Amino acid sequence: EAEVAQSPRYKITEKSQAVAFWCDPISGHATLYWYRQILGQGPELLVQFQDESVVDDSQLPKDRFSAERLKGVDSTLKIQPAELGDSAMYLCASSLSQGASYEQYFGPGTRLTVT
Amino acid sequence: ILNVEQSPQSLHVQEGDSTNFTCSFPSSNFYALHWYRWETAKSPEALFVMTLNGDEKKKGRISATLNTKEGYSYLYIKGSQPEDSATYLCAFHRGGNKLVFGAGTILRVKS
Repeated sequence: EAEVAQSPRYKITEKSQAVAFWCDPISGHATLYWYRQILGQGPELLVQFQDESVVDDSQLPKDRFSAERLKGVDSTLKIQPAELGDSAMYLCASSLSQGASYEQYFGPGTRLTVT
Repeated sequence: ILNVEQSPQSLHVQEGDSTNFTCSFPSSNFYALHWYRWETAKSPEALFVMTLNGDEKKKGRISATLNTKEGYSYLYIKGSQPEDSATYLCAFHRGGNKLVFGAGTILRVKS
């Protein structure tokens, strides 16, 4: 069964350092999402791509976060510089297309700890 | 502010018990309600996507109902097993592109 791949699974970094996460969605899925889940809260959408275009990045802290999906396939989420409050689980998901009834398939996430 | 509330926050049951959780969401501009199961160290797994008022869906021992007029959904697990231990997330879709998640219900089933 096809899966969403993410790497690394765990990352420990010092504050003010740069960190990057990678996501490879299920083949053929046009829509890709990056979520952040802080402990005790539900996942929150950071950015959504439709193919290579950003559809929604309203919750992305753009002063330090950036995301790209250059060829409309895999994607990278970067944080520079990392802050203590960025410690969280970063989840990537993909779906065939955007819309309420499309199921989103999640990867296993990257657990980020900023020290 | 769009709030999705889940209760209880956590639940401990014995193997064989049946249990249920609640997801509350705004009743206006409803498009869909998603349920996910998230086991530790694994990917969140989609259980149901529900779009119609009165919808009832079932997958094995797990079922869900939807009331869009009053803004709630129930998830039921019949005869809980240790492998059902997970965090159960609901997410509300009111159109546009964004899923808004609740904080989840943590279920622990003791054998």
